[in-house]
Parts: sequence; C-alpha cells; structure tokens
Amino acid sequence: GAVVSQHPSRVICKSGTSVKIECRSLDFQATTMFWYRQFPKQSLMLMATSNEGSKATYEQGVEKDKFLINHASLTLSTLTVTSAHPEDSSFYICSARSYDTGELFFGEGSRLTVL
Amino acid sequence: DAKTTQPTSMDCAEGRAANLPCNHSTISGNEYVYWYRQIHSQGPQYIIHGLKNNETNEMASLIITEDRKSSTLILPHATLRDTAVYYCIVRVKAAGNKLTFGGGTRVLVKP
Repeated sequence: GAVVSQHPSRVICKSGTSVKIECRSLDFQATTMFWYRQFPKQSLMLMATSNEGSKATYEQGVEKDKFLINHASLTLSTLTVTSAHPEDSSFYICSARSYDTGELFFGEGSRLTVL
Repeated sequence: DAKTTQPTSMDCAEGRAANLPCNHSTISGNEYVYWYRQIHSQGPQYIIHGLKNNETNEMASLIITEDRKSSTLILPHATLRDTAVYYCIVRVKAAGNKLTFGGGTRVLVKP
C-alpha cells in the first residue's frame, strides 16, 4: 500500500526553539496533505490543510504564525513549530491524499516533547 | 462531513469476531463510510471503506444498512494485535476533502 513517512518520529527540544517535522509521500504524488495534532487519550484534531504550491488553510483556533506549513512539492510537506513551548508537546500526524486515487494515507506520527 | 456516533469502548475475546457499530444517520448520498484504526502511538491505519454495498478485505468486513444510516465493522477473528482505537468516518471522496475524527471506539482484545 501507499506509504507516508514522517521525520523525525521523536524530537525533544528546549522551550523557545523551533522544530521542523517532515511528511513525505514515498510512492505517490500528494496534492493535498493534512496535519493533525493529538494529545494523550484524545482524538486527532485537524490543524491545517496544505495544498502543493499554495498557502495552507488553518482550522479555527490554530495559529498560522505558530505552526508554519510548507508544501513545496507533490511529495513533501513540512510543519514547523516556532518558538515551541511545553504546551506544544503533542503527537503530530500528517496525512497525504493521493492525486491518482483520492485516498488518504497517514504517516507514523511525530512525538514532540518541549522541555 | 456527516457526524458519526460510536460506543466509547468495548472488549472482545481473542479469536472471536468483533462487531463495531457506527451510526451516521445524517449521511449524504455521496458520502462514503471509512474505517481507520490507531494502535497506540502510531498513525491511523486504513481498514476499509464502502458506499452502499457490503465490503470485505483481508482485514475486515463492512456491513452497511440499506438506509445507510448505520454500519458495522467486523473483525472476523480478533487477535491481541487488534487492540486499538477504531474510527468510523463519513466523507466525500473529493479533492481536498478533509477527514474529521470523532472519539472512536477503544477496543481491547482480551486473551
């Protein structure tokens, strides 16, 4: 099946630093990618939708200047958590929509811990 | 996307069939029923989807009622590795259409 890879899978950083998470579709082209955040024992919450070559669309309550999303190619989207704080610690998951089939595939997730 | 309602949790015995219900009474004619599961600390895994007809694949079967207002995911022979949160989602299979997750059903398979 289609594979979506996230990197890094785990990251620990100090408060105030920025962290970049990559999401790659390995064997298909993805015109649309989605970024989710998941806190312990909660469901996935959609943060933003990113379309290749255009600005991301953020869900209500998600700060676009805090969570920078770039979708520069059909196989790569990045999420940068700027000036991270402990409350940004979470499990971040991306999903990519296949250009050919329209189906959605998920990455393995990236666990961010901000000290 | 239409909203879905699932039980919060359920237990099932290893080796037995697990039947997971989902209500989606406001589903539209062009919305598909999708099932994903999430094993602890992993990304969601696609299981199966359908529009009107019942579907079966190597992982599970999906039974959709004739009025499409509810469906049941069947894991024919549950194993301990099937312990996960199962999400039932309805969505239009269209460009850019996002997937919105509800609470899901936390399934615990017991030996």
